[in-house]
Amino acid sequence: DADVTQTPRNRITKTGKRIMLECSQTKGHDRMYWYRQDPGLGLRLIYYSFDVKDINKGEISDGYSVSRQAQAKFSLSLESAIPNQTALYFCATSDRRDGNTGELFFGEGSRLTVL
Amino acid sequence: KNQVEQSPQSLIILEGKNCTLQCNYTVSPFSNLRWYKQDTGRGPVSLTIMTFSENTKSNGRYTATLDADTKQSSLHITASQLSDSASYICVVSHSGTYKYIFGTGTRLKVLA
Repeated sequence: DADVTQTPRNRITKTGKRIMLECSQTKGHDRMYWYRQDPGLGLRLIYYSFDVKDINKGEISDGYSVSRQAQAKFSLSLESAIPNQTALYFCATSDRRDGNTGELFFGEGSRLTVL
Repeated sequence: KNQVEQSPQSLIILEGKNCTLQCNYTVSPFSNLRWYKQDTGRGPVSLTIMTFSENTKSNGRYTATLDADTKQSSLHITASQLSDSASYICVVSHSGTYKYIFGTGTRLKVLA
């Protein structure tokens, strides 16, 4: 089983619908991240969390929200999906013992298409 | 502005040949640089990490170099295999913050 698991792996939805992407990890890491990947662009940070009660905005948080339900779970929500949110979304974790620049461990990705 | 640029954008080589991918960065202050391999439809996986004091590091057929003075890194792949077909992403960490600055990647295709 993967250490970082994302569900769903693929989702097609319509404009205006609410979507939740879920991430769970078995690595025991405190830090979790949500990134978005678009063709021709580097991964961009949406939100990150360093602990259960810690939520921080990344560079492209508008239109997204997150919830850290437990150390192992970090979910990303699109309250009202729009077509330019069509992208590949990655959850990642890192170990706080590695400081602020530790290795990122990525999930397999969730491909979201908004029609 | 903190940026990471990679070249070439894409590369096609024959199986068994060598290739070198480039990464230039303007991130400051610099903490470390990682090369990740991303297979199609999968998440990126770290290949190697370079810190400020390291010049060269190998991981099997992958050899990364770092020139901290010119802010350049390269990833050399020796005796390429079909399984090397993937995107290779250069990621630079900004010292003292949470920030990871991602390059746009080089898409490598190895042909039989």
